[in-house]
Amino acid sequence: DIVLTQSPALAVSLEQRATISCKTSQNVDNYGISYMHWYQQKPGQQPKLLIYEGSNLASGIPARFSGSGSGTDFTLTIDPVEADDIATYYCQQSKDYPYTFGAGTKLELK
Amino acid sequence: EVQLVESGGGLVQPGRSLKLSCAASGFTFSNYYMAWVRQAPKKGLEWVATISTSGSRTYYPDSVKGRFTISRDNAKSSLYLQMNSLKSEDTATYYCARHGLRRPLDYWGQGVMVTVSS
Repeated sequence: DIVLTQSPALAVSLEQRATISCKTSQNVDNYGISYMHWYQQKPGQQPKLLIYEGSNLASGIPARFSGSGSGTDFTLTIDPVEADDIATYYCQQSKDYPYTFGAGTKLELK
Repeated sequence: EVQLVESGGGLVQPGRSLKLSCAASGFTFSNYYMAWVRQAPKKGLEWVATISTSGSRTYYPDSVKGRFTISRDNAKSSLYLQMNSLKSEDTATYYCARHGLRRPLDYWGQGVMVTVSS
């Protein structure tokens, strides 16, 4: 199974940049596509897709969210952070079954 | 508007069975893979099952393989999860989600709670 590793938490100030990392135990790229996706989840809500295939912004997601990386190292950036962005962020790979998620990074206010 | 509405959750004793349903609307159901993802209380997300567009292929992690069965009825735009031999560690909110082949989970339902306890 492909293991995804995220830091448990990140403290950030409003209007600053937040950088959340996700490292995978195996390469999740194939034929030039990174099968890495990012989700946001607020308490009591279902997850919401933010970024797909490494760097593509999902429909309706503000441009302050961006994704980068390839292979085994990926990053979600929020710049600038707004109060509404306080949530838990998960990475997920869809290159191979079983699909796997990172444990989540809780974004907190400093 | 894409909508996914889960039902069928509740309290069940260990070893018993439960069947979840997910009613889909707002898109052509038969064109998409569908998945179940669960989240134990205060824990992260765990993918539970995926089914192909026709239902001919299914995928599971080892944690549920042989106990859970995903199925679909394209005529009814409905997704199901039959859960047998339930364990306390299956206690979670279960989400139904849409995806394409190797694509992200782009729409999620609100989730349904399953509690396995005596």
